[in-house]
Amino acid sequence: SAVISQKPSRDICQRGTSLTIQCQVDSQVTMMFWYRQQPGQSLTLIATANQGSEATYESGFVIDKFPISRPNLTFSTLTVSNMSPEDSSIYLCSSWRMGGDTQYFGPGTRLTVL
Amino acid sequence: AQSVTQLDSQVPVFEEAPVELRCNYSSSVSVYLFWYVQYPNQGLQLLLKYLSGSTLVKGINGFEAEFNKSQTSFHLRKPSVHISDTAEYFCAVSDLDKAAGNKLTFGGGTRVLVKP
Repeated sequence: SAVISQKPSRDICQRGTSLTIQCQVDSQVTMMFWYRQQPGQSLTLIATANQGSEATYESGFVIDKFPISRPNLTFSTLTVSNMSPEDSSIYLCSSWRMGGDTQYFGPGTRLTVL
Repeated sequence: AQSVTQLDSQVPVFEEAPVELRCNYSSSVSVYLFWYVQYPNQGLQLLLKYLSGSTLVKGINGFEAEFNKSQTSFHLRKPSVHISDTAEYFCAVSDLDKAAGNKLTFGGGTRVLVKP
């Protein structure tokens, strides 16, 4: 398994600003994933982040809005840019290791945009 | 493409009663199946998973699930629930394409409320 931490755990932001969420894994992992969980909803995959390459975005998500970095095998960031109230969600990261069969999740970042 | 349907959005249940959470999936390829639990204000925790072999899978906290290939179902059960089982439960599938990192598709979630 992997132990994952996220910073910040929650934040309240103003419309038009940006927030960067950090995700740290306690061991090297192959892939890291970013999900959005809108209020009362299920999880939707935003993008997959591999080290050394650009993130792969799912339909409906674009790099300009959700830039992602993956500088090494234990860390990734997700930025939510030019925020609007519709971006109010929980953002979760997860990790997967080559040869493994399970994604492990961080505790999430609860974002409120006013 | 895969999809997951959790047939019940909310399940109220009395303490010490049994509970079953239903999950059906569709996929054109073989899949792995997972149940995750999300306690209030927390992230997702793996309850159990089916990869292959025995169709009855036992997980943590007394939960078990049965894979039924013909009915494309993976229902979750617990014979006697506790107040602490109050949470949201998510069924998820991934295909066997490890190159994609076991990308998960989630169901809509089932909110379990255990009443005293």
